[in-house]
Formats: sequence, C-alpha cells, structure tokens
Amino acid sequence: DAGVTQSPTHLIKTRGQQVTLRCSPISGHKSVSWYQQVLGQGPQFIFQYYEKEERGRGNFPDRFSARQFPNYSSELNVNALLLGDSALYLCASSPYSSRNSPLHFGNGTRLTVT
Amino acid sequence: AQRVTQPEKLLSVFKGAPVELKCNYSYSGSPELFWYVQYSRQRLQLLLRHISRESIKGFTADLNKGETSFHLKKPFAQEEDSAMYYCALKNSGGYQKVTFGTGTKLQVIP
Repeated sequence: DAGVTQSPTHLIKTRGQQVTLRCSPISGHKSVSWYQQVLGQGPQFIFQYYEKEERGRGNFPDRFSARQFPNYSSELNVNALLLGDSALYLCASSPYSSRNSPLHFGNGTRLTVT
Repeated sequence: AQRVTQPEKLLSVFKGAPVELKCNYSYSGSPELFWYVQYSRQRLQLLLRHISRESIKGFTADLNKGETSFHLKKPFAQEEDSAMYYCALKNSGGYQKVTFGTGTKLQVIP
C-alpha cells in the first residue's frame, strides 16, 4: 500500500518566484495537512484541508495558499518567495479530521530559495 | 497558545542503559499528546500516543497533567533506537493543528 507521496523531492527557486508543491494522500484518507520544517526545528503547521475545505491555518502569511482536489490530493502554493521560505515541506494525511486520527507523513519536498 | 518544549537537542546513552526523552507542554484545553520518530533516511512516523496507553518498541509515555509532561521512556536502549524524536500536541478544536517540539536526537552508543 503506497504511503503519502510528494513531488518534487527537491526544488531550487529564486527570490520572488512562485512554487507549487504536490501531495497525494494514502488511499481513503480525506484529510491533508501541510507543515514547514526549517533546519533544526520541528515541523510547523501551515494548513489542514478536509473534504476539499480549509479547516485550519497556521501563522503563515497570505503568500501561502493551498487547495484540495476531488481525489483528495493537494497542492501548496507559495508566492513571492523569500530566502526564509527555504525549508522541508511535509504533507501528512489522515482518514478523518478528528483528534483521534494520527498523521501519516510523506518524505517531503526540499525547497531552496536563492 | 499551545507550545511543546523538548529541552535536549541531543541525548547520548550506552546500549542497555535506560532512556528518558523529556517533553513539556503548554495548553489550556484537554491535550492529545504524541511521540513521532524519524529514523535515518526514513519519513516521520507515529511512535505512540497517550490515549492508546500502549508500549511500542519498548517505549512508553505517561501523560502527567499536573506537571504538563509527556516524557518518553525505555528501560534498555538498543542501537536501532537511534533516531530523531519529536513530541507533539494536537489541539482540541475541530481541526488537526499539531504542534511539534524542536526534537531530540537520541544516539545509542554500542
């Protein structure tokens, strides 16, 4: 059974550019969350989507946006990239949106902004 | 605001020695606590959660609401336990905001 898949695995962008990261959840999982992990820190919550609706948003600027598609896959978009956006972006899926539903993580997309 | 604190960046123990990874949290509601683990070149994965009250790979963790702690313990460390460990807290709202600590790297010395 395939786990959470993310693409691309690595990405290099220039300041001011825009980037789109993609995530496919585990089959049957309807909730997708996005996390940013800066080197030396734990993952930080960006968004959660459940049944194609945004359910929660972390403390990130409006340059960050996301969406979920009818097949429950998701995209994270970041506009006007800054050097500080360089990080590992993790996608996590779970069957439900409730508390009793642990997260299953992908391997992440390593974004480098130069 | 919810916060998770892991005071140790690195914990080195000898094989066979007891292990305790510390985690303290700050949260005004009823928390749900987890430990996630990341082995070398593998993805972040759930190790255990407090509501399950189970032992996984010999690890246990007890939620102490009085001390707001959720320390991870194992009586005898094994080399394969070497990994990055993250304590995490899930909010009591209708969505899954999980707050992670900064992580502790456990190094088991043969």
